[in-house]
Formats: sequence, C-alpha cells, structure tokens
Amino acid sequence: DAGVIQSPRHEVTEMGQEVTLRCKPISGHNSLFWYRQTMMRGLELLIYFNNNVPIDDSGMPEDRFSAKMPNASFSTLKIQPSEPRDSAVYFCASGGISWNTEAFFGQGTRLTVV
Amino acid sequence: KNQVEQSPQSLIILEGKNCTLQCNYTVSPFSNLRWYKQDTGRGPVSLTIMTFSENTKSNGRYTATLDADTKQSSLHITASQLSDSASYICVVSPNDYKLSFGAGTTVTVRA
Repeated sequence: DAGVIQSPRHEVTEMGQEVTLRCKPISGHNSLFWYRQTMMRGLELLIYFNNNVPIDDSGMPEDRFSAKMPNASFSTLKIQPSEPRDSAVYFCASGGISWNTEAFFGQGTRLTVV
Repeated sequence: KNQVEQSPQSLIILEGKNCTLQCNYTVSPFSNLRWYKQDTGRGPVSLTIMTFSENTKSNGRYTATLDADTKQSSLHITASQLSDSASYICVVSPNDYKLSFGAGTTVTVRA
C-alpha cells in the first residue's frame, strides 16, 4: 500500500486566493482526519470523518475552511479566501474501523500564503 | 494548558549513545498512549501504541514504558543512529478521537 497520499506537497499562494488540499486515504480505512501543524501550536485536529461522514468539525478555525469526503478514497480541505496566518503544514491521516485504531499520516502539504 | 508535556524540548547525542525522552500527561480518561517519530518535512510515523494495561513495548531500538498510575511515559532509544535524528511526539488518546499531542522532543544525533 502506498500509504496516505496528499497533494500538493507544497503550495504557495497569494492572500485571498482559494486553496484546495487533497488526500487519498489508505484503502479500507474508515476514519479520516485533517490536522494542521505549526511551530506555535503543534498538531491540531481540524476535522474528523468516519465512513465519509463528518463527525466533528469543531477544530475548523473559521468559515473560510471547509472539508469534504465525497467517497471513501478521497477528501479535500479548502480554504477560501486564504490568509497569511493559514500558513502551516496540513496533514491528512487515516485509520481503521474506529477512532481508536492507529492513525497513519500522509506526508503533509506545506502551505505558504503570502 | 497542554495536557501532554514532553521533556526535554531538544537534545543532542553522539551516535551510538542511548537517550530517554519523557512524557507526562493529565488526559483522563485514558485509552492509549502513542509515540510518533517525525522526520523533517515528513508526516509522523507511529513507533508504539500502549494501552493502560501495558507497561512496556519495544519496536527495534525503541522501547516505550508507561506508568498509568503516575501518568508518565518514556521512550528509550538504544545505540542511536544518525537516522534517529527527528522529532518524537507523545500522543495520548482519551476515550474518543481527540488525540492530545505533546509539543515533541527534537533529537539530533551527531557522528
């Protein structure tokens, strides 16, 4: 298995632009998480999906952030409009049947908003 | 206040030497504790997962210990290698999906 695949690996965009991050979880995994990592705050949970259904999006910072999981093999995290403070590394992770199984992280997308 | 505290924040060791990283947590209830290794520019990779009933678990040269009574865990690296240079993150799982992450310990192994 190729593991969790994220794209792009790096994204540089101008403030105000729309940014879409993509994630392909490990086949057969039912749980999908989006995290954000910064030096100041470490890893933070943004949203958790189970069986493609958003269970908890309380970590999404603002209405500018949205996430979808149209099927079991694809998820997106969208920021519109982007702001410099959104600059961070965004990780997607997938896990087994329940939240309590091991989570496998993707390589992350490093987002820079200028 | 972070519910998972790690120490030291960073350390430098010589290749071949051993080191121990510490993790104290206040998360309750507690389901399991995980140690992740994160190489620069990569995603975290799981090293060990321990439930409250386990007090030690090994993965190659990595050995994690857990004392659920004192809410302390440690990660011991034996005979360090240059490839061990990374950030090591202690993660505590309560009885739901909201993992509590430590800030990590940055380990630098020098030849």
